[in-house]
Amino acid sequence: GAVVSQHPSWVICKSGTSVKIECRSLDFQATTMFWYRQFPKQSLMLMATSNEGSKATYEQGVEKDKFLINHASLTLSTLTVTSAHPEDSSFYICSAREVAGSPGGYTFGSGTRLTVV
Amino acid sequence: SQKIEQNSEALNIQEGKTATLTCNYTNYSPAYLQWYRQDPGRGPVFLLLIRENEKEKRKERLKVTFDTTLKQSLFHITASQPADSATYLCALPGGGGFKTIFGAGTRLFVKA
Repeated sequence: GAVVSQHPSWVICKSGTSVKIECRSLDFQATTMFWYRQFPKQSLMLMATSNEGSKATYEQGVEKDKFLINHASLTLSTLTVTSAHPEDSSFYICSAREVAGSPGGYTFGSGTRLTVV
Repeated sequence: SQKIEQNSEALNIQEGKTATLTCNYTNYSPAYLQWYRQDPGRGPVFLLLIRENEKEKRKERLKVTFDTTLKQSLFHITASQPADSATYLCALPGGGGFKTIFGAGTRLFVKA
């Protein structure tokens, strides 16, 4: 089945630094990937839709200059949290769907736990 | 605005019993509905999709119903096992059907 690999699984960084999270579709091509963040005991909140070869589409309230998304190939999307602050500490998860436009289930990465100190 | 509601209280049941989780939605007319399982510190795993014209769908010990009149889906796990303990998320298409909107999930604990 479809596999999405997300790396790193956890990261601790200092305030003011930037962190890059990678999301790869291992056995399928994904023209579109999605980035979510999840706070403890809360729902997954969609941050942005990553489109291969074009600009990402950000959800309302998500700062595009802070959360940089790059989708340079059909199998890789990256999320960079720039100038991280403690309030950015969260669980970040990416997802993709093997067949674009189909209503089938999404495949999620294993998530990245970001802690900003 | 579109809203998905799942019981925020954890569900505790005894092994072997049937677990029933509820997903209610408002201001939606979804063409389909999905259920996912999420373990602590992990990404969600897709379980089942049910379309608006399907009343019920089964997969092994899982059963999902979809009542578009009540705007509700029920998720059943029969003969539950401790390994079924997890958070179960209901999800609906949003943003023109291209995006997926998730409920907050219901935590299930199955006691041996």
